[in-house]
Amino acid sequence: KAGVTQTPRYLIKTRGQQVTLSCSPISGHRSVSWYQQTPGQGLQFLFEYFSETQRNKGNFPGRFSGRQFSNSRSEMNVSTLELGDSALYLCASSIYGTPNYGYTFGSGTRLTVV
Amino acid sequence: AQSVTQLDSQVPVFEEAPVELRCNYSSSVSVYLFWYVQYPNQGLQLLLKYLSGSTLVKGINGFEAEFNKSQTSFHLRKPSVHISDTAEYFCAVSEYSSASKIIFGSGTRLSIRP
Repeated sequence: KAGVTQTPRYLIKTRGQQVTLSCSPISGHRSVSWYQQTPGQGLQFLFEYFSETQRNKGNFPGRFSGRQFSNSRSEMNVSTLELGDSALYLCASSIYGTPNYGYTFGSGTRLTVV
Repeated sequence: AQSVTQLDSQVPVFEEAPVELRCNYSSSVSVYLFWYVQYPNQGLQLLLKYLSGSTLVKGINGFEAEFNKSQTSFHLRKPSVHISDTAEYFCAVSEYSSASKIIFGSGTRLSIRP
């Protein structure tokens, strides 16, 4: 079966622009989580969605937002990009509607802000 | 809130030698524990997980981990490593009481010398 699909794989944006990243979970997985990975901060939790509702949010500024659609696909948006937003953004989906049993990750979107 | 500490940022080891990657966690409630592996330019892949039952958990690629509740540890071991095990390894924890997120350690980079 298909894994978690993230698009695009690579993205280069200019400071001040906004960006939208997409994630399609494994079929049947209704929980989708997003993480930011950087060399300095490691893996940091952004947010988690289940049935189109955000259930949990990490400590990121309001420039970071997300949503989930009725087919469980999710998008995250970053507005007014800063150089420090350069990172690998990882999406993960979970069976049984909870991350408690483990995630399946996508390959990530590498965002570079210049 | 839960937290995870990976005591070694880098572990060099010779091929066919045994390895142990250390992980300690902190939580005020019962937890689930995970080890993930990340190969270059890829997302994270689940190696193994402890949910309940036997404290010795076997995973993929010959890895195993032991849950020690009294020492709040979940160390990862492999009796004989191969060049292909070169990757970054992440310990992670989620709490029984929280259905929405997994917290990751800072990672241990395993480098295998021929």
